[in-house]
Amino acid sequence: ETGVTQTPRHLVMGMTNKKSLKCEQHLGHNAMYWYKQSAKKPLELMFVYNFKEQTENNSVPSRFSPECPNSSHLFLHLHTLQPEDSALYLCASSQVELGQNTEAFFGQGTRLTVV
Amino acid sequence: AQSVTQPDIHITVSEGASLELRCNYSYGATPYLFWYVQSPGQGLQLLLKYFSGDTLVQGIKGFEAEFKRSQSSFNLRKPSVHWSDAAEYFCAVGRNYGQNFVFGPGTRLSVLP
Repeated sequence: ETGVTQTPRHLVMGMTNKKSLKCEQHLGHNAMYWYKQSAKKPLELMFVYNFKEQTENNSVPSRFSPECPNSSHLFLHLHTLQPEDSALYLCASSQVELGQNTEAFFGQGTRLTVV
Repeated sequence: AQSVTQPDIHITVSEGASLELRCNYSYGATPYLFWYVQSPGQGLQLLLKYFSGDTLVQGIKGFEAEFKRSQSSFNLRKPSVHWSDAAEYFCAVGRNYGQNFVFGPGTRLSVLP
């Protein structure tokens, strides 16, 4: 198993659909993240979970709803999305120890297209 | 607020030539610094990191980077570029707590045969 696995790799959905992105990390990390990567824009941090608790929500619209049932799994529930939400969604994980940062490990991403 | 700039949007080099990608950061304390590489349609792979100690750090694939506090820079270098190095490169800064990484806009590297 690779370190961080995201499914599906590609997703096409209509604006009225409901879908979910899944992320699973096999690294024993205690922090997980969702990032959005749009064309010609910097990586945008969406959500951060530390020990399953959401510690940051960067003004993300409510049509994106994260869920972290345990420290190994992270979901991003999508509903009534807009075409501008089409992007590569990246999941990452890292380890927090005594306030010390570590590097983030990324999944391969889910390419989302909203039609 | 912390920020990262990568002045070069796109760089083209010939295979075998040397490479330097620039990264400047703004941060209130000693930063943790990272370089990541992304191939098309893929996730980000860590090339190297700086936490403390020796300011010249070695990474994978023959890359190195040097932390210069006086210049707030963390430039990435490679002495001889290979065609497989063509990709997007991101510099990032992290915080001591909160685990929130701020990424630069990226530099796209093209390699001529």
